Amino acid sequence: AQSVTQPDIHITVSEGASLELRCNYSYGATPYLFWYVQSPGQGLQLLLKYFSGDTLVQGIKGFEAEFKRSQSSFNLRKPSVHWSDAAEYFCAVGVNYGGSQGNLIFGKGTKLSVKP
Amino acid sequence: NAGVTQTPKFRVLKTGQSMTLLCAQDMNHEYMYWYRQDPGMGLRLIHYSVGEGTTAKGEVPDGYNVSRLKKQNFLLGLESAAPSQTSVYFCASNLEGLGPDTQYFGPGTRLTVL
Repeated sequence: AQSVTQPDIHITVSEGASLELRCNYSYGATPYLFWYVQSPGQGLQLLLKYFSGDTLVQGIKGFEAEFKRSQSSFNLRKPSVHWSDAAEYFCAVGVNYGGSQGNLIFGKGTKLSVKP
Repeated sequence: NAGVTQTPKFRVLKTGQSMTLLCAQDMNHEYMYWYRQDPGMGLRLIHYSVGEGTTAKGEVPDGYNVSRLKKQNFLLGLESAAPSQTSVYFCASNLEGLGPDTQYFGPGTRLTVL
């Protein structure tokens, strides 16, 4: 069955430090991969997505993610974290049920706290 | 262009009461989705629709019904609310079911069932 695992429930980093959030997926075919961010009390905002091509994708707010097929991973990175990055981050895989129909399967999320 | 909007933002129900959550999108999207978000569970798909007049079950459909009478609206109904349905509900939409398209999310509805 398709699944997404985010091993870290909660991560705390210092402002200005680098960040890496882990995401592993289980899916038999070529995956469509997404990272969303959710600020407290808000909806989900797309950070970046991977469909094909270059395995290093750039997103908004200075985030990037690298798709590694051999490791079934799609880790999110940022070189220097800002206090405003404190939020919950969700990795998702797009599951194609045939034709154009598909749905997103989400990981359980990683909550990021930023120390001043 | 408002994107995806949800009504209401907050609601408190008593066990056994009914209610309908409204999702509206102005992007002419074909596909619409209802998710619930519970602490430590991520988002789980309740029902979805691939076009006007169609609906289908997602991962956790029990206790919910949906309707898509108009392309721009997707309604989620609770006929007899239970405390287990206390959650934050998100609606999403996109033009195609999958592929380069992206799901756009509404701001959420926080529902408490007492």
